[in-house]
Amino acid sequence: DAGITQSPRHKVTETGTPVTLRCHQTENHRYMYWYRQDPGHGLRLIHYSYGVKDTDKGEVSDGYSVSRSKTEDFLLTLESATSSQTSVYFCAIQADPGRWSNNEQFFGPGTRLTVL
Amino acid sequence: AQRVTQPEKLLSVFKGAPVELKCNYSYSGSPELFWYVQYSRQRLQLLLRHISRESIKGFTADLNKGETSFHLKKPFAQEEDSAMYYCALRPRHRGQNFVFGPGTRLSVLP
Repeated sequence: DAGITQSPRHKVTETGTPVTLRCHQTENHRYMYWYRQDPGHGLRLIHYSYGVKDTDKGEVSDGYSVSRSKTEDFLLTLESATSSQTSVYFCAIQADPGRWSNNEQFFGPGTRLTVL
Repeated sequence: AQRVTQPEKLLSVFKGAPVELKCNYSYSGSPELFWYVQYSRQRLQLLLRHISRESIKGFTADLNKGETSFHLKKPFAQEEDSAMYYCALRPRHRGQNFVFGPGTRLSVLP
């Protein structure tokens, strides 16, 4: 597996509480992504980062914020968790999307978040 | 906008039978296409990509630009092929992100 870890791996929280998920990589890849995985929707992009302090919104960014202060860490924060944010969250990394040839995304193990 | 569809949510076949997982895409240009697989409670991993024209674990996929399809095929399914399969598209524009389909769960029955 590419050097990607996610923490925590499982979390149960209550509606209205803040939650932060961490993605850590040891590959020194420039691009990092946060997806959520839901039945019938596949993977949907929440936010992504194309470098330290450079982030942008994805398809389903409402209710989420991100930060990237170091190349190796990409944090996803739910400011006030809601039950609709119950999901499995995957982090992914990619070397350089500009080099489309032979490029792929490598995924972390996922974080299962339950919001009660 | 780019879009990937996988019409089957669940596909069940018997061991040894041929399997085809369908994937169609909409994109005005020439995309890069991938199949990712997720075994039970594991991370997603790349199965194959169209530009490599490779066969991985007996699976192949051919890009049909006329039909805008990238179906995944295997002539003889094995029980260990049971997993979730995602088709993904990456536009060939710098900085464009992956677009994933909704996924098809393949169940290979003994």
